[in-house]
Amino acid sequence: DGGITQSPKYLFRKEGQNVTLSCEQNLNHDAMYWYRQDPGQGLRLIYYSQIVNDFQKGDIAEGYSVSREKKESFPLTVTSAQKNPTAFYLCASHRTNTEAFFGQGTRLTVV
Amino acid sequence: SQQGEEDPQALSIQEGENATMNCSYKTSINNLQWYRQNSGRGLVHLILIRSNEREKHSGRLRVTLDTSKKSSSLLITASRAADTASYFCATPRSYNTDKLIFGTGTRLQVFP
Repeated sequence: DGGITQSPKYLFRKEGQNVTLSCEQNLNHDAMYWYRQDPGQGLRLIYYSQIVNDFQKGDIAEGYSVSREKKESFPLTVTSAQKNPTAFYLCASHRTNTEAFFGQGTRLTVV
Repeated sequence: SQQGEEDPQALSIQEGENATMNCSYKTSINNLQWYRQNSGRGLVHLILIRSNEREKHSGRLRVTLDTSKKSSSLLITASRAADTASYFCATPRSYNTDKLIFGTGTRLQVFP
C-alpha cells in the first residue's frame, strides 16, 4: 500500500540532545513537508522540499534541520538549539494541486 | 500567519444531527482542502474543491466554496459518534504555490 511512514511514534529527548525523526514515502511525490502541531493548534510549517537535494525553510525552521538525499526520505533533526521541542510532528507529501498525504506523526517529549 | 480560520472552534452535537463548519481565507486560491484529524493521529484528506467549483459532495460530506467572500463550509449530515475529530481547512499560501496553510481547526464532538 502506498503511504507515508513516520517513526518512531513516540520519542523522548534529553536537554541538549539532537534527535532525528524519520519520514519515508512510497507515493513517488516530489514535494515533502514537515509540520509542527502544538495542543489545540493548527499546523505550522517547519521545512519543505520540492525536489531531491533541495529544501527550504518554513515559518518556524529555527532549531531544526533536514536533508533530502533520496526522493523517498525526508528526515527531520530537532537540534539542541530548539528550546521548546515538545510537540507533535507531522510529515506530509503531495503532488501539485492535489491533496496532501500525512504520516501518523511523532510525539516528541523533552525529559 | 494563519490563512484559513475555522469557525466555530468547537462544536458538540448529538448523533443524527448535522454539523457545519466554516473556513475563511485571505488570498486568491486555486483550491481549498478539508482534512480530518483523530486525536493523536495524522491528518486525513476529505475533499478538495477547486476555485471554479461552488459545491462538492462526498458521501455524507458537502463542501461549498464562495470565492467572492473567501469562505468555505463543510457540512457533515447525519453525524455519527465516529465523526468525532478535529477538522481543518487548508489553502495554498498563494495562487502559484503548493505550500499549504492550515487553520486552527474545529473540534467536533458527536454524542451517542
